Amino acid sequence: DAKTTQPPSMDCAEGRAANLPCNHSTISGNEYVYWYRQIHSQGPQYIIHGLKNNETNEMASLIITEDRKSSTLILPHATLRDTAVYYCIVKGRSNQFYFGTGTSLTVIP
Amino acid sequence: SAVISQKPSRDICQRGTSLTIQCQVDSQVTMMFWYRQQPGQSLTLIATANQGSEATYESGFVIDKFPISRPNLTFSTLTVSNMSPEDSSIYLCSVEGQAYEQYFGPGTRLTVT
Repeated sequence: DAKTTQPPSMDCAEGRAANLPCNHSTISGNEYVYWYRQIHSQGPQYIIHGLKNNETNEMASLIITEDRKSSTLILPHATLRDTAVYYCIVKGRSNQFYFGTGTSLTVIP
Repeated sequence: SAVISQKPSRDICQRGTSLTIQCQVDSQVTMMFWYRQQPGQSLTLIATANQGSEATYESGFVIDKFPISRPNLTFSTLTVSNMSPEDSSIYLCSVEGQAYEQYFGPGTRLTVT
């Protein structure tokens, strides 16, 4: 499975959009991009995933570049409860997830 | 999504002893996974547990130290054997969803003294 690179930390003002980038330049054609978040030692929470089209659900939007080498998770109106570590994971047909170090997002009042 | 519970939620154990962690899912699932999260670190996959077959362990993890049972499609256990302080971690189980995403339990916080 391809390796991902994320900034270690980011801040975002409450009510503004949080844009979390992820680089996955070695992604192959059958690998999906998954996003999770972990709020202070709770179990990770599934957010969204995609292959090559942009995706949106009630939690977030996922924008994948045309060459699929990077993606951005967008939380449209960040709240204090969105403060968490966000993980971007690339996974192919193997079932296993391999977590990187993620981005620690702090939403500031 | 699946609802997953783990028991115990936390425990403090003495070195040299063993602890068995239970993971219960509210629906039948084929794939279950066990992870470890050491203090301040990301998650590390320990093993994959399929019902009816032996667990598959990741590099650095062995069955003698982390035996796993998977007796049916809704339940699994992970035992941490002959514990040392280095085993102090959060242990999490997860299950695979229909789109190959995973849903995680709340975790078991283990402290070894």
